[in-house]
Amino acid sequence: QQQLQESGPGLVKPSETLSLTCTVSGASISSRTFYWAWIRQPPGKALEWIGSIWYNGDTYYKPSLKSRVDMVVDTSNNQFSLRLYSVSAADSALYYCARQPLVGDYFDDWGQGALVTVSS
Amino acid sequence: DIQMTQSPSFVSASLGDRVTLTCRASQDIKRWLAWYQHKPGKAPKLLIYGASNLQSGVPSRFSGSGSGTDFSLTIDSLQPEDFATYYCQQTNTFPRALTFGGGTKVEIK
Repeated sequence: QQQLQESGPGLVKPSETLSLTCTVSGASISSRTFYWAWIRQPPGKALEWIGSIWYNGDTYYKPSLKSRVDMVVDTSNNQFSLRLYSVSAADSALYYCARQPLVGDYFDDWGQGALVTVSS
Repeated sequence: DIQMTQSPSFVSASLGDRVTLTCRASQDIKRWLAWYQHKPGKAPKLLIYGASNLQSGVPSRFSGSGSGTDFSLTIDSLQPEDFATYYCQQTNTFPRALTFGGGTKVEIK
């Protein structure tokens, strides 16, 4: 059974870089039929898509975050990662990784989420 | 970006009620819409994709309809496990920016 699991620091200082990794088990991240995505939910707010990456490294990002986001895929370890630069308190959120079918662009499998707080 | 507006933002309902949630897109997204159920401390769960396709394993009391800019999610005979927040998401691929609605919280009356 496929599982996605987020990992990374739970506390990041303002202006620094948020780094998270999603480890996929039970399925290959090299599948050509899925994108792999990051989605976040600030406290008390709605879900927000951040960006998506394909097995070959092709990415697309939420336009308003594009200048601060980088996603990479590591097929040898069946992982993909998120980097968000120059963070502020507004980036404090529960961060989810998810699987995204190439056809449809919805999210059909999710990790449990990783809470990241931006604070000095 | 395409904006997604959900209404109402809060619904109070009783067990066994039929509940209809709505979602409006700021432009035509054909049938490129998904619905999710989200409970505190849990991962969101895909319910519906392609506006009306029931995801495998989701109970048949959930149904989706609509096209263009207006969509709805209906829950027939509300069950205790259905009390949650529901989000719509547009999956239109051009322009390729995926957006969620603000959510509708379904609570027990």
